[in-house]
Amino acid sequence: DSGVTQTPKHLITATGQRVTLRCSPRSGDLSVYWYQQSLDQGLQFLIQYYNGEERAKGNILERFSAQQFPDLHSELNLSSLELGDSALYFCASSVEAGGTYEQYFGPGTRLTVT
Amino acid sequence: KNEVEQSPQNLTAQEGEFITINCSYSVGISALHWLQQHPGGGIVSLFMLSSGKKKHGRLIATINIQEKHSSLHITASHPRDSAVYICAAQGAQKLVFGQGTRLTINP
Repeated sequence: DSGVTQTPKHLITATGQRVTLRCSPRSGDLSVYWYQQSLDQGLQFLIQYYNGEERAKGNILERFSAQQFPDLHSELNLSSLELGDSALYFCASSVEAGGTYEQYFGPGTRLTVT
Repeated sequence: KNEVEQSPQNLTAQEGEFITINCSYSVGISALHWLQQHPGGGIVSLFMLSSGKKKHGRLIATINIQEKHSSLHITASHPRDSAVYICAAQGAQKLVFGQGTRLTINP
């Protein structure tokens, strides 16, 4: 158990809908990362937050947004869902935002868009 | 060409064999991560290294910064080592992942 929690574990929804994925980092970790893992693209970095502020952005679509709240939990919002958004979404946390801090991964949310 | 390349993509071996998975990267990095993903989907961080060699139990990770190459070795492999192993290069802002190596260890 990494100490990172994600809810829900599974989500099935229809095209065009909007969903929210939630992540609680390990106690004491200030940085949260979101990743998408699809069958054809592998793991991809979406976005990083550090202590409530956006720190880095990767291959995140405009239909997706995220935020980190004062209690440090984070939410990833996916809207106007398409079939291709079906994937595993992971969040990870680390103590700091720099590149040499180990990241701890949550169990993931499996999103299926039908 | 991907920024992070792993080889082989698939590897099947017998229990007890010595396993090597390779990772080459073309980006500048501050660290190289090795991750393990089990069939259930969960990801575990195995190593993070920026130079030299690290060992944890039967797992050994090495990195050669000049050659931009890292290897993950498993000694005395066991069926429970069956998983996907992913290397990830830590750049200035983000992790860039390899496509993963699917390892199957047969009893």
